[in-house]
Formats: sequence, structure tokens, C-alpha cells
Amino acid sequence: QVQLVQSGAEVKKPGASVKVSCKASGYTFTNFVIHWVRQAPGQRLEWMGWINADNGNRKYAQNFQGRVTLTRDTSASTMYLELSSLRSEDTAIYFCARGHRDLRIQGDYWGQGALVTVSS
Amino acid sequence: QSALTQPASVSGSPGQSITISCTGTSSDVGGYNYVSWYQQYPGKAPKLMIYEVNNRPSGVSSRFSGSKSGTTASLTISGLQAEDEADYYCSSYTSSSTWVFGGGTKLTVL
Repeated sequence: QVQLVQSGAEVKKPGASVKVSCKASGYTFTNFVIHWVRQAPGQRLEWMGWINADNGNRKYAQNFQGRVTLTRDTSASTMYLELSSLRSEDTAIYFCARGHRDLRIQGDYWGQGALVTVSS
Repeated sequence: QSALTQPASVSGSPGQSITISCTGTSSDVGGYNYVSWYQQYPGKAPKLMIYEVNNRPSGVSSRFSGSKSGTTASLTISGLQAEDEADYYCSSYTSSSTWVFGGGTKLTVL
């Protein structure tokens, strides 16, 4: 069965960086894309970016340009989100979600989420 | 990219039907049929309920349906049940090759 398993919770200080992983299983990794979505406490879902698992092409939301980097390790079927220059407003649950390359179906499977807390 | 506009809350009694709207622009909802709807319970990951405006993934109840007119998409839940009480989000592809979510709607079953 399709699964996206994310890394564990992190506590970081302001100004630091965090790297969250998302390991895929149960499907052909390179046939899909992965979205990254975050949700601050009590807030809405916020799209951060996506990456094509096959060719590595990526696109970021304007709000995160310059601070976010999406990468992949096809040999490990794992995606990574790195967010730098952390501030308290980045405290949130970070989700990865699978999408189809033809754009039709997005978010059919989600990771369990990784809580990132930014605090001095 | 601004968030799509959804009502903050809607409510309905068991058995009734409710509709949640999702308003965007010609650069997102109005320009593409790649509109999805997600259901989210507190502390859980979202679940895909509708994709491509009006398609249901396997396993999603036929009580959930989607539609679109111009720059506004809608999610309708018929035969409301207590288990439908959750947050609902719309999302759309955009002309910038990005995606955008709505502000979310809290559904209360009275």
C-alpha cells in the first residue's frame, strides 16, 4: 500500500535551518510528484512547493522563495524539504503529499506530518 | 499568490445538504479544472475528497460532490452526518505552475 513516512519532530532556534524527510513506498517513486504543505497551529493549509520525483524539476511558492529547498534521493525513494532562516512564525506541521504528474489528482496520499517548533 | 476565499464556517443539521464555496480568480480556479477538496480532522492529515472539480476518489462517499462556475468552485455534502464535521479546504492549480489552498471552512453538524 502507498505510504509516505516523514521524519520526526524538530525543535530549532531562530535563524537555524531544518530538514524534513518524506520516504515513499508502495508505488513507483519516479512516476509522481511530491508537494510540501505546512499548517501553523490553528491556521490554514499553506502550499510551499512541489518537486517532480523523476526529473527533479521544482517550483516554490513565492512566500518561501529563497528560504526553501526541495531535493530528492531516488535511490532511497525519499524527498527532502529544507527551510532556512527559521523564525517563530515557521512553527508548524509540515506535510508531504503525493501528486500525479498529469495534474489531475493531487494529494491522494499524505505523510503523517512533522512538527517543527522554532523557539529560542 | 493569495489564498482562495472560503467561508470561515458553515453548519447544517443531520440529513440536510450544505455547500461550501471557494472563490479564486481567472489565474487559478477560473482558468483550470484542477480544483480539489480536502477534509481534515483535528490533528490529522488532510484527506482528498474531490479532484478535478467533480471527481471522487475510490472510497469517498457519493454524498460528496463538486462543481465549478466561473471563478467559484463548490463542494456539496448531502445527507449530512455527524462524521462530516471537520475542516474543508479547496485547492487549485495556478497560472504560475503553483498550487494554492483556500482559507478553510469549519463544518459544524448541529
